[in-house]
Amino acid sequence: GNSVTQMEGPVTLSEEAFLTINCTYTATGYPSLFWYVQYPGEGLQLLLKATKADDKGSNKGFEATYRKETTSFHLEKGSVQVSDSAVYFCALSNAGNNRKLIWGLGTSLAVNP
Amino acid sequence: DTAVSQTPKYLVTQMGNDKSIKCEQNLGHDTMYWYKQDSKKFLKIMFSYNNKELIINETVPNRFSPKSPDKAHLNLHINSLELGDSAVYFCASSQGGTEQQYFGPGTRLTVT
Repeated sequence: GNSVTQMEGPVTLSEEAFLTINCTYTATGYPSLFWYVQYPGEGLQLLLKATKADDKGSNKGFEATYRKETTSFHLEKGSVQVSDSAVYFCALSNAGNNRKLIWGLGTSLAVNP
Repeated sequence: DTAVSQTPKYLVTQMGNDKSIKCEQNLGHDTMYWYKQDSKKFLKIMFSYNNKELIINETVPNRFSPKSPDKAHLNLHINSLELGDSAVYFCASSQGGTEQQYFGPGTRLTVT
């Protein structure tokens, strides 16, 4: 079946540090991959996505590359800010899956000034 | 203009009561969802409706009953509330099979 595995948090970084949050997946066929972000007290919002192998999604300085050979979609940012403190969710969507997103457990990020 | 809205934002109630949460989307999407998020931020899909038809019904106690009066609305009614129902409930919507989901701000339900 389909599944998503994310690195466990919480992750605590200093401002301007490099961020990597690992995400690997198991899926049949060719899923679309997503990173969602949840800021404190808010709903989730899409951060970036990739729909086929070797695609790179990017937004707000964050990037993730769809790697089919390693079944991974790691989230990276070169220099985090305090305002990036949030919970990050990796997810996949597979055709014929009744439009259901398969979610990772979420990784909490705290950035200190 | 809020894309996905939920009411109420906070709901505090006693065990055994019945309550409803309402959701509306003005994005013209054909699919709506209810999620439950626990205190550890784990996100669990509960229900999904496509064009007012139930398409996802995960293992959820039958005390939870969704209702979709039209494509833009999806309500969640909960009977006989229990302590374990305390969580944040999110509504979301999407268009098409693999498009992104748009989330509401959440309803924090506290059962005492």
